[in-house]
Amino acid sequence: EAGVAQSPRYKIIEKRQSVAFWCNPISGHATLYWYQQILGQGPKLLIQFQNNGVVDDSQLPKDRFSAERLKGVDSTLKIQPAKLEDSAVYLCASSLNRGPWAGYTFGSGTRLTVV
Amino acid sequence: AQRVTQPEKLLSVFKGAPVELKCNYSYSGSPELFWYVQYSRQRLQLLLRHISRESIKGFTADLNKGETSFHLKKPFAQEEDSAMYYCALSGETSGSRLTFGEGTQLTVNP
Repeated sequence: EAGVAQSPRYKIIEKRQSVAFWCNPISGHATLYWYQQILGQGPKLLIQFQNNGVVDDSQLPKDRFSAERLKGVDSTLKIQPAKLEDSAVYLCASSLNRGPWAGYTFGSGTRLTVV
Repeated sequence: AQRVTQPEKLLSVFKGAPVELKCNYSYSGSPELFWYVQYSRQRLQLLLRHISRESIKGFTADLNKGETSFHLKKPFAQEEDSAMYYCALSGETSGSRLTFGEGTQLTVNP
């Protein structure tokens, strides 16, 4: 079974620039999550999709972050404009069912550095 | 609000020694508790979950609702156990959203 694919692996941008991350979940996984992991902290959920609908985006800074999941498969997360505090690893995960007891599969993440 | 606390950022033990990684949580309902592990240069992966009451790689964890804890234990640590460990919680009011602790870096010395 192929894992969750994310790209790019690394990205360095200047503050106020925009950036986009891509995620391809495991085939058939209806639920997709984007997490932000700041250095020294645990992952924090940004947004959760069920198929192509948003289930939870309560912790997404909507003034600068946006995400979409067209056709219920791939997803993109965008930051515009980026701030220094957005430097983090952005993790994508997917699962078969809504409940976490089905198990998340995480991607390798995209490490963003904002300078 | 739900919260997970891992009081130790770093934990160092010798090979063969017992190890316990502490996790305390705050949640008003019935939580689901998990341990995730991230080995060097690998992805974050599920180690075990309390509802399964399983032992994975010699690790066990018991949910203690009275003490609101879910400590991870292994009687004899191995060098390959060196990794970052995260305790995570999900509750019925948060759907499948996981709340993670800040993690404990375990180092097992030879």
